[in-house]
Amino acid sequence: GAGVSQSPSNKVTEKGKDVELRCDPISGHTALYWYRQSLGQGLEFLIYFQGNSAPDKSGLPSDRFSAERTGGSVSTLTIQRTQQEDSAVYLCASSPTLTGELFFGEGSRLTVL
Amino acid sequence: SQQGEEDPQALSIQEGENATMNCSYKTSINNLQWYRQNSGRGLVHLILIRSNEREKHSGRLRVTLDTSKKSSSLLITASRAADTASYFCGRNTGTASKLTFGTGTRLQVTL
Repeated sequence: GAGVSQSPSNKVTEKGKDVELRCDPISGHTALYWYRQSLGQGLEFLIYFQGNSAPDKSGLPSDRFSAERTGGSVSTLTIQRTQQEDSAVYLCASSPTLTGELFFGEGSRLTVL
Repeated sequence: SQQGEEDPQALSIQEGENATMNCSYKTSINNLQWYRQNSGRGLVHLILIRSNEREKHSGRLRVTLDTSKKSSSLLITASRAADTASYFCGRNTGTASKLTFGTGTRLQVTL
């Protein structure tokens, strides 16, 4: 009965380095979201995968950000050439249905020095 | 924001009082979902209200939806210190049913 799992839970990196954040959704969930939350702020939508449809990438802030979802399950969010403004908590969520509730992971806290 | 707003941004009440927070949206919704977040951790789902529903209850929580005003309210009755958290409303919109959030309401319940 595992929930949504994200790794790493914390990542400290130097400006200019690439980082990969991983999300393991709940088995069988077809929808998967990535959100970004800066300190004390709301949730900023990044990208949305729904089944076999093309992902909605409209929230990605720049071309340094990319995400993929392999085999309809695990997802990886990649940030290239990290900048200090990328520092935030990156939250992943999955849902079993198109319109149902989301189940969130505990997030990956990224700090760019 | 493009999605709408939540207000107030912050709310401080005493234990036992009721807390009301509001959510507005701009485009037609499939449903609206309320979530709770403790101290920057993952969000936890509270209530989902569909576009053809006007009110839903869950324990001490009551959610209303007014589609003519494009707004929703979350009422927490008889608040407790443990209700201290941030509350977010998620707007499920479009044929792709994308869920987007606003900036949330930070609720502080004091003893």
